[in-house]
Amino acid sequence: NAGVMQNPRHLVRRRGQEARLRCSPMKGHSHVYWYRQLPEEGLKFMVYLQKENIIDESGMPKERFSAEFPKEGPSILRIQQVVRGDSAAYFCASSPTGRVLAQHFGDGTRLSIL
Amino acid sequence: DQQVKQNSPSLSVQEGRISILNCDYTNSMFDYFLWYKKYPAEGPTFLISISSIKDKNEDGRFTVFLNKSAKHLSLHIVPSQPGDSAVYFCAACVENRDDKIIFGKGTRLHILP
Repeated sequence: NAGVMQNPRHLVRRRGQEARLRCSPMKGHSHVYWYRQLPEEGLKFMVYLQKENIIDESGMPKERFSAEFPKEGPSILRIQQVVRGDSAAYFCASSPTGRVLAQHFGDGTRLSIL
Repeated sequence: DQQVKQNSPSLSVQEGRISILNCDYTNSMFDYFLWYKKYPAEGPTFLISISSIKDKNEDGRFTVFLNKSAKHLSLHIVPSQPGDSAVYFCAACVENRDDKIIFGKGTRLHILP
């Protein structure tokens, strides 16, 4: 039973490019959460999605960031026109029920902006 | 505004001794508290939790204590082992809300031989 899969594990982009981070939840999990960890910081909630719906995006920056979780396929966190401050580790978690206590985390994508 | 605070960025403890990691929170709405352990280049893994209706929860070498009046919790690891060297995140949530966990900044624990 595979865990939460995130890819790529490491992504390098130049300023102004787009970054796409993918998260495949655990089998049977229909709830996905994205968190961002800036250097020397804790994980900060970004967005909570269920299949085809955004439930809570209160942690998402208002511009350049978007997330989706389509009916088929992985959840995607998209960052347009990346800037140096977007460099961080992005973690995805999934759960079967939506309860925070059941969240399982992936190993993250480390985004580096040149 | 840091709702969950871990004021010690790092802690070094001799192998076999007790490790005590501290955490404070400010939001009175929080009713469930969690500790996660994180190794480099890996995601956080759940370690132990405690509901606000309890003041102590124990699981093997790990015990979490909650002092609601002080809005303070601590994680005790005894005896400490080399494999315990990791970053420990304190986290909090409102249990009946199905969304975000609020994390502290973490404490890096070094277990010394």
